[in-house]
Amino acid sequence: ETGVTQSPTHLIKTRGQQVTLRCSSQSGHNTVSWYQQALGQGPQFIFQYYREEENGRGNFPPRFSGLQFPNYSSELNVNALELDDSALYLCASSLEEFGKLFFGSGTQLSVL
Amino acid sequence: GDSVTQMEGPVTLSEEAFLTINCTYTATGYPSLFWYVQYPGEGLQLLLKATKADDKGSNKGFEATYRKETTSFHLEKGSVQVSDSAVYFCALITTSGTYKYIFGTGTRLKVLA
Repeated sequence: ETGVTQSPTHLIKTRGQQVTLRCSSQSGHNTVSWYQQALGQGPQFIFQYYREEENGRGNFPPRFSGLQFPNYSSELNVNALELDDSALYLCASSLEEFGKLFFGSGTQLSVL
Repeated sequence: GDSVTQMEGPVTLSEEAFLTINCTYTATGYPSLFWYVQYPGEGLQLLLKATKADDKGSNKGFEATYRKETTSFHLEKGSVQVSDSAVYFCALITTSGTYKYIFGTGTRLKVLA
């Protein structure tokens, strides 16, 4: 069984640009959540999708948006990038809404 | 608002020493509590969990008990090994209002042979 995969692994953008990060959930998992992890900090919850509907959201502005597709893969979109958006973005999938999280290795985003 | 507070690291121990990593939380309702671990070069993975007061989660020799009266979920292990060197994150799922996962800042553990 394949684990959670994220793409790309690294990305460099400039302030004001838009970025899309992708995540393929583990086989059979219907729930995907996204996190932002700054260096030396814990993951900060961005939002969660369950069966293509957003069912939880952290304290992030609307310029952070997402999608979950019928195959349960997911995208995180960030508009109008700011320097403080530079971080590791983690995706996690689970079998159910409040289940054990399986994390991907993350996408390292640098905003210049 | 809801939050998780962990003891700051790094924590450096000799092999076979006793480990405690403190975690306290603030939350309304009855959150589920978790410890996640990140080994060097690997992704985060669940270590153990507890879903209600007085529950004890355990895995790989690690234990943590959900203490509602002290709002704590301290991680313990009786005898650490070099292979336990990692970053440990305490976390909770809120149960009031919008669902969200909240993680602590992480505690780095280094075990010396």
